[in-house]
Amino acid sequence: EDQVTQSPEALRLQEGESSSLNCSYTVSGLRGLFWYRQDPGKGPEFLFTLYSAGEEKEKERLKATLTKKESFLHITAPKPEDSATYLCAVQVSAGGTSYGKLTFGQGTILTVHP
Amino acid sequence: SAVISQKPSRDICQRGTSLTIQCQVDSQVTMMFWYRQQPGQSLTLIATANQGSEATYESGFVIDKFPISRPNLTFSTLTVSNMSPEDSSIYLCSVPAGGADTQYFGPGTRLTVL
Repeated sequence: EDQVTQSPEALRLQEGESSSLNCSYTVSGLRGLFWYRQDPGKGPEFLFTLYSAGEEKEKERLKATLTKKESFLHITAPKPEDSATYLCAVQVSAGGTSYGKLTFGQGTILTVHP
Repeated sequence: SAVISQKPSRDICQRGTSLTIQCQVDSQVTMMFWYRQQPGQSLTLIATANQGSEATYESGFVIDKFPISRPNLTFSTLTVSNMSPEDSSIYLCSVPAGGADTQYFGPGTRLTVL
């Protein structure tokens, strides 16, 4: 069974204090690992898709990296507007009806204080 | 990217009634996904809706409880039938884009069952 575990559950940072969120996964065959940002009362907002170990992607203050067992979302010099829940999800490389399905972790609630 | 709208954005319903949620996409897509996000929880896939075929349901979800229609390539509905307070959740539709390399989510429908 595909499993995705995110840590920590909640993270409080001061503005400018860099940190990382972790997403560890166990899947039969990884096709892609997705990162999303979700603000309260809204649908998840797509951030990145990573496909292979060693891959990195950046967007503003966020950088996502991938290994064979986990992914990190690094937040550099965060601002209060970065406060949100960050979700990771895996997509397996199975055909048929499973194709496209995302299995999500529980999320990390990030709060950045000014 | 894909622009996805959902109706209603929120509703409060009585136990035993049914609610139909609509999902409209601004482009034609073969696959659409319906997810549920229970309070304080992450997203769980309910079913995959392909145009022209029966929806495929995940373990724990059945067609009698969550019937889905997919009349064309830009629209789908999810009905939550015979509702109970345990059905109080946010319901989200999602579509893949870029060859399933990305998945976009709608804004969600917040359902409260009394």
